[in-house]
Amino acid sequence: DAKTTQPNSMESNEEEPVHLPCNHSTISGTDYIHWYRQLPSQGPEYVIHGLTSNVNNRMASLAIAEDRKSSTLILHRATLRDAAVYYCILRPANAGGTSYGKLTFGQGTILTVHP
Amino acid sequence: SQTIHQWPATLVQPVGSPLSLECTVEGTSNPNLYWYRQAAGRGLQLLFYSIGIDQISSEVPQNLSASRPQDRQFILSSKKLLLSDSGFYLCAWSVRRGLSPLHFGNGTRLTVT
Repeated sequence: DAKTTQPNSMESNEEEPVHLPCNHSTISGTDYIHWYRQLPSQGPEYVIHGLTSNVNNRMASLAIAEDRKSSTLILHRATLRDAAVYYCILRPANAGGTSYGKLTFGQGTILTVHP
Repeated sequence: SQTIHQWPATLVQPVGSPLSLECTVEGTSNPNLYWYRQAAGRGLQLLFYSIGIDQISSEVPQNLSASRPQDRQFILSSKKLLLSDSGFYLCAWSVRRGLSPLHFGNGTRLTVT
């Protein structure tokens, strides 16, 4: 499986935008880029996913580089509730059956939000 | 709406004792079901996944087993716990099609003493 590389930790101030980077230089053409986050003592929560085009939803935006070797999760206005571990995960689209669910989690980025 | 329930939330068990963790999903049919484990300070490791009743695949050899006696029930078991079985166990579900997201429960924190 292709790997992702994320910074171990990042800090932000409340109400400011946060850009969380992810490198995936060995991504294949059919890999989707998924982001999950995990709040303390909770299970991971789906945030967003995309293939080539930038994506927006109510939680965040996902900016994908033109060569797809990197992406950035954007939280437009960080709140204290956004403090979590953020995971960038590649998910193959052409695998059959349950392979779709085999999310391989790395260490992620610990985001600290200061009031 | 769909919900996922895991219990218990925390568990302390002695080495050599049996284990049974339960997970149930409501509000959906024929889900894919997963068991993950998260050791302290580490990422999540997929242990088992299931595409249907009595259809279970194991990702890593270990001291654990899983069963799916009903469509929306997933059980993680062990006959004899090891110290290394301590961790945060998470159940998750997804719909069968394509790239649907995984939805996780709140987990069970297991401490083997």
